[in-house]
Amino acid sequence: SAVISQKPSRDICQRGTSLTIQCQVDSQVTMMFWYRQQPGQSLTLIATANQGSEATYESGFVIDKFPISRPNLTFSTLTVSNMSPEDSSIYLCSVLTGITYNEQFFGPGTRLTVL
Amino acid sequence: AQKITQTQPGMFVQEKEAVTLDCTYDTSDPSYGLFWYKQPSSGEMIFLIYQGSYDQQNATEGRYSLNFQKARKSANLVISASQLGDSAMYFCAMREASHSGGYQKVTFGTGTKLQVIP
Repeated sequence: SAVISQKPSRDICQRGTSLTIQCQVDSQVTMMFWYRQQPGQSLTLIATANQGSEATYESGFVIDKFPISRPNLTFSTLTVSNMSPEDSSIYLCSVLTGITYNEQFFGPGTRLTVL
Repeated sequence: AQKITQTQPGMFVQEKEAVTLDCTYDTSDPSYGLFWYKQPSSGEMIFLIYQGSYDQQNATEGRYSLNFQKARKSANLVISASQLGDSAMYFCAMREASHSGGYQKVTFGTGTKLQVIP
């Protein structure tokens, strides 16, 4: 199993500013994901952050807006840049583990409100 | 195109009855996996059950079973003997290889809100 922590747990930010969210895992994992969950919606995959390579972004998400770092196998950051109220959401870090990639674990999420 | 489809935005079930939540998927990857998660109002994601594309038998975990019909590309979740605590959002998710290769990704359906009636 994997235990994931995220910082901050919540934040209120002004438009135009940036926020960096940290994700720490208690074990080494190769595959890490960042998701966004807007109120009342499902989880939308932002990007896959694999150590040793650049993050791969899903359609509709770009590196300039959501830069991701993955310096090692236990840590990653997601930055939400030049924020607008539309970025208000819960951001979730997740990892995929298991011999057959059959286990996925989630962090508690970061609740972001942009004014 | 949506890769994971959950056509039931909301469902009601009587306590102690069984309920089936639908999920269909689309992938060209021969090796994939399907997850079901429960998300109560507290927001945490609770893993329920997993089915691999090569698994010969349908997955079961306690009161949860997955009705996997590979040819129809469906992976419906069956909850038996519903309890009031089962009221939550339920998400189907699919693991598959990315188009650019080299890694896996997991994408989610839109979810089904289940309400258990006493």
